[in-house]
Amino acid sequence: AQRVTQPEKLLSVFKGAPVELKCNYSYSGSPELFWYVQYSRQRLQLLLRHISRESIKGFTADLNKGETSFHLKKPFAQEEDSAMYYCALSLAAGNKLTFGGGTRVLVKP
Amino acid sequence: DVKVTQSSRYLVKRTGEKVFLECVQDMDHENMFWYRQDPGLGLRLIYFSYDVKMKEKGDIPEGYSVSREKKERFSLILESASTNQTSMYLCASSFPGQGAYEQYFGPGTRLTVT
Repeated sequence: AQRVTQPEKLLSVFKGAPVELKCNYSYSGSPELFWYVQYSRQRLQLLLRHISRESIKGFTADLNKGETSFHLKKPFAQEEDSAMYYCALSLAAGNKLTFGGGTRVLVKP
Repeated sequence: DVKVTQSSRYLVKRTGEKVFLECVQDMDHENMFWYRQDPGLGLRLIYFSYDVKMKEKGDIPEGYSVSREKKERFSLILESASTNQTSMYLCASSFPGQGAYEQYFGPGTRLTVT
């Protein structure tokens, strides 16, 4: 069965510092990978998906099939990036999502 | 703008009670999902539905059932609530088909079972 692992439960960085959230997955096929974000008192929402190869709010994520990773990066963290981030995987043949345990990011002024 | 609404933001129920959580979406999405969200465990899929009256078990269906009588509405039922079902419950919906379709989430229902 597929599995998504986010090894860090909490990441604390200073404003302006780089931030990298790790995501590793186990699946032998070709999954679709996503990052979802939940800001304080807001609903969970899509941040970005690997198939789009886009940068959203300064965040990027590269799918590394060799290392089965989909790490999320931002070169200069902002206080408004403080949130809960979830990495998720969808099998190519379906629409269900498997989520990781989540990483809380705290950006300090 | 997609709207997914859930009937309650907070619920407190007693052990053994039957509990209904309702979810409604207004975007004519075929797929609907129920997750529970627990610290350190992320979101875990309870049940999902890809059409009216169709349902499939997710990863943790034990103790839950669902109902989808209309396309826009997906209900989660706890037949006999237990304290280990205290959690945040999230509903989501999406278009059908393969691959990278975004799931749209409701605001969540925080259920406490005492």
